[in-house]
Amino acid sequence: TQLLEQSPQFLSIQEGENLTVYCNSSSVFSSLQWYRQEPGEGPVLLVTVVTGGEVKKLKRLTFQFGDARKDSSLHITAAQPGDTGLYLCAGARMDSSYKLIFGSGTRLLVRP
Amino acid sequence: DSGVTQTPKHLITATGQRVTLRCSPRSGDLSVYWYQQSLDQGLQFLIHYYNGEERAKGNILERFSAQQFPDLHSELNLSSLELGDSALYFCASSPQLGEQYFGPGTRLTVT
Repeated sequence: TQLLEQSPQFLSIQEGENLTVYCNSSSVFSSLQWYRQEPGEGPVLLVTVVTGGEVKKLKRLTFQFGDARKDSSLHITAAQPGDTGLYLCAGARMDSSYKLIFGSGTRLLVRP
Repeated sequence: DSGVTQTPKHLITATGQRVTLRCSPRSGDLSVYWYQQSLDQGLQFLIHYYNGEERAKGNILERFSAQQFPDLHSELNLSSLELGDSALYFCASSPQLGEQYFGPGTRLTVT
């Protein structure tokens, strides 16, 4: 059962365009994390959002956690070729472990 | 560099064999999580250890086991290997029960 649905699965855009990646669930998460992964490497943590409605900015990346803590979005402004990669959202459940449940990922290609 | 180290980087072995993957968490982190990443399943949680004790299990096969040692490093043991066990195996560490920092992974190929 895929608890976190990520969309779109693939995105190919021109440099300078804006994009949004969505991460949706019917479950409530205590926190949600966004990672970026390069081929053959481990996921790199970009941001953690904890509070419903929270918005965090990381340079050209804007992350939002839904009010009900069931969904999140990642918006990239003026995408650059260096943004190319696999973006993963991961939710942590409010239990004794905080193990992460990962979305299926969004593969982004930014063309020069 | 996340501060999490994993060895070996690559591992090629035959079906039926047993391998051990090693993970050293970031300095001071008490939690170690193991994940498996395959093309068709994405990143899947296997097991979590906190300060030497097992905290949670995911869909980990009975052929797989793990432990965390007093110095907090962890090992994931995979036995009776099958072709379908070929995947990337990641460990992640966390200071308590929060953000997780991933290692570079071990690519396991079972032939």
